[in-house]
Amino acid sequence: DIQMTQSPSTLSASVGDRVTITCRASQSISNWLAWYQQKPGKAPNLLIYKTSSLEGGVPSRFSGSGSGTEFTLTISSLQPDDFASYYCQQYDTRPYTFGQGTKLEIK
Amino acid sequence: QVQLQESGPGLVKPSQTLSLTCAVSGVSTGRGDYFWTWIRQSPGMGLEWIGRVHSSGITNYNPSLKSRLTISVDETENQFALSLTSVTAADTAVYYCARGEYFFDSWGQGTLVTVTS
Repeated sequence: DIQMTQSPSTLSASVGDRVTITCRASQSISNWLAWYQQKPGKAPNLLIYKTSSLEGGVPSRFSGSGSGTEFTLTISSLQPDDFASYYCQQYDTRPYTFGQGTKLEIK
Repeated sequence: QVQLQESGPGLVKPSQTLSLTCAVSGVSTGRGDYFWTWIRQSPGMGLEWIGRVHSSGITNYNPSLKSRLTISVDETENQFALSLTSVTAADTAVYYCARGEYFFDSWGQGTLVTVTS
């Protein structure tokens, strides 16, 4: 299986900050990567697919980049609603696999 | 707007079969351009892709679960289902149903299944 490793596991930041979360794949996945946001007690919510394509309704402060084995999710200016957990997911090869998550906390 | 809702027992005894159903509204499960997927989440394993079914009945399973797993779709009832046999404590998780072949744009709220005697 392809292993997805996110860093950091926890990130403390303030409203207005620019933050970046990294996701590394154990082998090349081209650009077949999605990002999700999850709030406590809720299902994950799709933010980005194919590395950088924004899902409809997702604010433009979210962006994704990368290719091959290294990918990033950037939030350009944190809003109060953004404090949540974030997960990457590869869909290059089945079984599709997720990163372990990054918890974004209020500093 | 598509909506998904999981249902099934919250408690299952070890060695028994876990059965869940996902009711879909807003779109037909018979629509040929969608796959319907099961994903679970546990503190130990994180998010885990279980498998998917197409309206044609074609399925793809996670090899780690394949020997115990059946996913099926019922166009008449507009739902799809998961059956996992011979469960152990390691199968305790929140189970989500979702729409998507590769990534997942609509999810159910999730249902907690605990395997315990």
